[in-house]
Amino acid sequence: GQQVMQIPQYQHVQEGEDFTTYCNSSTTLSNIQWYKQRPGGHPVFLIQLVKSGEVKKQKRLTFQFGEAKKNSSLHITATQTTDVGTYFCAGPSGNKLVFGAGTILRVKS
Amino acid sequence: NAGVTQTPKFRVLKTGQSMTLLCAQDMNHEYMYWYRQDPGMGLRLIHYSVGEGTTAKGEVPDGYNVSRLKKQNFLLGLESAAPSQTSVYFCASSPDRGITGNTIYFGEGSWLTVV
Repeated sequence: GQQVMQIPQYQHVQEGEDFTTYCNSSTTLSNIQWYKQRPGGHPVFLIQLVKSGEVKKQKRLTFQFGEAKKNSSLHITATQTTDVGTYFCAGPSGNKLVFGAGTILRVKS
Repeated sequence: NAGVTQTPKFRVLKTGQSMTLLCAQDMNHEYMYWYRQDPGMGLRLIHYSVGEGTTAKGEVPDGYNVSRLKKQNFLLGLESAAPSQTSVYFCASSPDRGITGNTIYFGEGSWLTVV
């Protein structure tokens, strides 16, 4: 079945540093979604990318969808303590959404 | 608008006991899902439903059963709890399949410990 792999598993950065998480699918995706889960909370939808090579920005967050629609990345510029949490990518597989294992981001102030 | 509501939020079970997790959504969504989350494993789909009266197996269905008798409710049952089922369980719903680009809305989670 389809697999969605995400790296790194964990990253600890100093406040103000940049952060990037990468997502790779074993198959071509029709779209990819990103979710954020704060510590102790539940996943919350951030964004969806549909087009090959698409780039979307949300303030300090930049999301990219690869040309082959098999990979994606989330980049945070100048991290803040409010960015802590786990970031998941997810891609469709039949009637389901397959999630990556997530990247845990910790920010030192 | 409550969104997706899960009960109970916390539960401790003894091995072999049974229990049911209840999920209710008030958004008239067709699709509902049960995920479990374990450290380093991400979100793994247990069962899902594409509409009232339907259920389907996900990635890790063994040891669980589900029912969707009403559109707004999706029940997850553990017939004989095992320590391996200690996890955080998330219910979620979406208007349509995730592949059409609709957001999946998650409940706040249910923390289950089996001793």
